[in-house]
Amino acid sequence: ETGVTQSPTHLIKTRGQQVTLRCSSQSGHNTVSWYQQALGQGPQFIFQYYREEENGRGNFPPRFSGLQFPNYSSELNVNALELDDSALYLCASSSPPGGLSNSPLHFGNGTRLTVT
Amino acid sequence: AQSVTQLDSQVPVFEEAPVELRCNYSSSVSVYLFWYVQYPNQGLQLLLKYLSGSTLVKGINGFEAEFNKSQTSFHLRKPSVHISDTAEYFCAVSPSGGYNKLIFGAGTRLAVHP
Repeated sequence: ETGVTQSPTHLIKTRGQQVTLRCSSQSGHNTVSWYQQALGQGPQFIFQYYREEENGRGNFPPRFSGLQFPNYSSELNVNALELDDSALYLCASSSPPGGLSNSPLHFGNGTRLTVT
Repeated sequence: AQSVTQLDSQVPVFEEAPVELRCNYSSSVSVYLFWYVQYPNQGLQLLLKYLSGSTLVKGINGFEAEFNKSQTSFHLRKPSVHISDTAEYFCAVSPSGGYNKLIFGAGTRLAVHP
């Protein structure tokens, strides 16, 4: 069983630039959630995708956007990067979204984004 | 709005000693509660969950937690820790039910010393 994989593992960008982070969900999972984990803090929910549609969003501005593809992989895009966007970005897959399930969130190892 | 407070940012403990990591939550509705562990340079791994039923929940790696509705707490315990338990531990609540859209606490760093 292939777990959740994220790429790249590390990334350095300059303020104002745009970035795309990628996530491949665990085999059989059709739901992907993205979390931002700033240094020394717990993860914060960004949004969730289910069957290629956004299915819930946290308190993040519109410059944070996402996509989910037919194979259930996902991208997180961040435009106009700010210094405070520096964080570990975690992707988690599950099946199905919400409700009771025998499949809790399975997290990838994350992408460490540094904005300078 | 729901929130999670982890009362200790760091907990140092000697190997083979017992440990308790404290978590309090606030919610006006029924909640689902979780504990996750994060090892260095890794993602989060589910330790255990409370959805309903018995208030004492057993998880992986010898951890257990007790749900206390009157005190709105969900403390994590282990009777005897190992060096390998050194990690960051996160308590989380689900505002919508299930496992998704979790609200996490700030984390507790467990440092096990020989």
